[in-house]
Amino acid sequence: LAKTTQPISMDSYEGQEVNITCSHNNIATNDYITWYQQFPSQGPRFIIQGYKTKVTNEVASLFIPADRKSSTLSLPRVSLSDTAVYYCLVGDNGDSSYKLIFGSGTRLLVRP
Amino acid sequence: DSGVTQTPKHLITATGQRVTLRCSPRSGDLSVYWYQQSLDQGLQFLIQYYNGEERAKGNILERFSAQQFPDLHSELNLSSLELGDSALYFCASSLGQGGGPQGTQYFGPGTRLTVL
Repeated sequence: LAKTTQPISMDSYEGQEVNITCSHNNIATNDYITWYQQFPSQGPRFIIQGYKTKVTNEVASLFIPADRKSSTLSLPRVSLSDTAVYYCLVGDNGDSSYKLIFGSGTRLLVRP
Repeated sequence: DSGVTQTPKHLITATGQRVTLRCSPRSGDLSVYWYQQSLDQGLQFLIQYYNGEERAKGNILERFSAQQFPDLHSELNLSSLELGDSALYFCASSLGQGGGPQGTQYFGPGTRLTVL
């Protein structure tokens, strides 16, 4: 069964750049990679999505290498309110049936 | 507010019982997805419907079933409930069914199910 793997947790300080990587070795050919942010007891919130190379929006950047087997979410100048769990989401064709797989989640703690 | 609504917010029931969770997608969205999140765990994909038809299936137990109705709302039915079914259940919706921008999912606030 294909997996998506993320670091369990990361610590940072306000104003720093944070990079969170997700590996997804069996991503479906035509699928995008999507990242979500989740606060306790809330639904995940869309951050950014991309297919290849680099995507940037007003809150984050997403870097995807040519083989698309991983992706890196970059949060510039984090603040205390960025403390949350971050998930990657990909479609996977690993066992011949299409499934959606969330990464295990990275718990980001931003300190003052 | 994502525009996805879920009812009820909280549900407390006993083992062996059956419950129904309801989801209304964002206006215009044709796909609905269901996820389970146990305490301090990640999100497990259960099932996806597109315009009334099942599109993809995750590790959904046989005791669980779902459907999407002509008005595009969806219901997740959980039966013969066990203690381990206690979790947050999220619904998400997207415009389309693929893995591209039209498949971008927007999540509801969740239903917290407690099985005693």
